[in-house]
Amino acid sequence: GESVGLHLPTLSVQEGDNSIINCAYSNSASDYFIWYKQESGKGPQFIIDIRSNMDKRQGQRVTVLLNKTVKHLSLQIAATQPGDSAVYFCVEFSLDTGRRALTFGSGTRLQVQP
Amino acid sequence: DAGITQSPRHKVTETGTPVTLRCHQTENHRYMYWYRQDPGHGLRLIHYSYGVKDTDKGEVSDGYSVSRSKTEDFLLTLESATSSQTSVYFCATFPTGQGNEQFFGPGTRLTVL
Repeated sequence: GESVGLHLPTLSVQEGDNSIINCAYSNSASDYFIWYKQESGKGPQFIIDIRSNMDKRQGQRVTVLLNKTVKHLSLQIAATQPGDSAVYFCVEFSLDTGRRALTFGSGTRLQVQP
Repeated sequence: DAGITQSPRHKVTETGTPVTLRCHQTENHRYMYWYRQDPGHGLRLIHYSYGVKDTDKGEVSDGYSVSRSKTEDFLLTLESATSSQTSVYFCATFPTGQGNEQFFGPGTRLTVL
């Protein structure tokens, strides 16, 4: 697959442990914050989003936390599995621009050790 | 996955040649996008379309043009390829009124020698 990022920060965890991936965002006016997962050789895949007026949202095995005071977003993955190995992007999304496009951060690589 | 296909999947070309990448979707999504992805960067928006024949520029549009003559097809053209356009190109679609999920194609790896 393609080289997603040669110098991405990397988080290495043991299978079964919980993972926490952190992100600092820049645009306080974003309406939503979204986490995408990108496996090697594939396009990004939506995981979970959180509206800007919320501070926590849970999905299946994932939880996203939003701290607007310090512009910080985190993704928690419970019981991390080898299939979770990928690059994770925090993404900003605004509805009031006509483009409805995503603004990607630079990404964090998650490596799950068996 | 919104039935998104990209063609070609890989291409090697020479500086100065024109290149066209194709994105095809089967889900009738209104919005379509072209992003590029380079090492050390997330995806960056090149151009987008909000309907047939309705397109606009993104943050890194210099050297690129797009066309959308049918809902299902979105073409990205490099009029005269340069080495700085060596990248992986992703197409995405976005259906309105169905949440915030954008769907991405598998990508096209373009190398400009």
